[in-house]
Amino acid sequence: EVQLVQSGAEVKKPGESLKISCKVSGYSITSYWLGWVRQMPGKGLEWMGIIYPGDADTRYSPSFQGQVIISVDKSISTAYLQWNSLKASDTAMYYCARPDSSGPQGGFDFWGQGTMVTVSS
Amino acid sequence: SYELTQPPSLSVSPGQTARITCSGDALPKQYAYWYQQKPGQAPVLVIHKDSGRPSGIPERFSGSSSGTTVTLTISGVQAEDEADYYCQSADSSDTFSVFGGGTRLTVL
Repeated sequence: EVQLVQSGAEVKKPGESLKISCKVSGYSITSYWLGWVRQMPGKGLEWMGIIYPGDADTRYSPSFQGQVIISVDKSISTAYLQWNSLKASDTAMYYCARPDSSGPQGGFDFWGQGTMVTVSS
Repeated sequence: SYELTQPPSLSVSPGQTARITCSGDALPKQYAYWYQQKPGQAPVLVIHKDSGRPSGIPERFSGSSSGTTVTLTISGVQAEDEADYYCQSADSSDTFSVFGGGTRLTVL
């Protein structure tokens, strides 16, 4: 059974750094792309970026390029989403998701449960 | 940056047909995907590659494509279909994907 299990909710202050995780199981992490999706409170879904764990090829939405870092540790089947300096506007639910076999632009057929990140002074 | 445009809301009575559109310049050359999201839950893929239905998705969900517009059709809407629906597709250079703004479907 394919599962994506994300790390727990975080409460941080502006300017702090953060790395949230997404651990996959039930398939080989090197066989599929893994993406991240943001959903701000009461708002829609936003495609942030995606990584191919096999070779760490990473694509970012222009809206998120330079704002976050997506990485992976194949040895523990885990992908990460990282901020170096959080802003209040980063407050959102973040989902990791696995696209179908269509490649990096495919539809996400498996999703993590989401990680709520709250940034407040 | 690339955008997909959806109507913000749609209301239908039970048993009627709901049609949700999504418009984007690159849709003639890029597949579209549709998601259903209910409050407090992760999205669920209901249509892939314009018109395919993933395993477990009821037959009343269907998708179609015509030019720069794709359409999600829910035939015989049920109360449980009340949710937010999002389209997703890639830009023309296949560099990144975007979601539409979402359509809130209300079942009267």
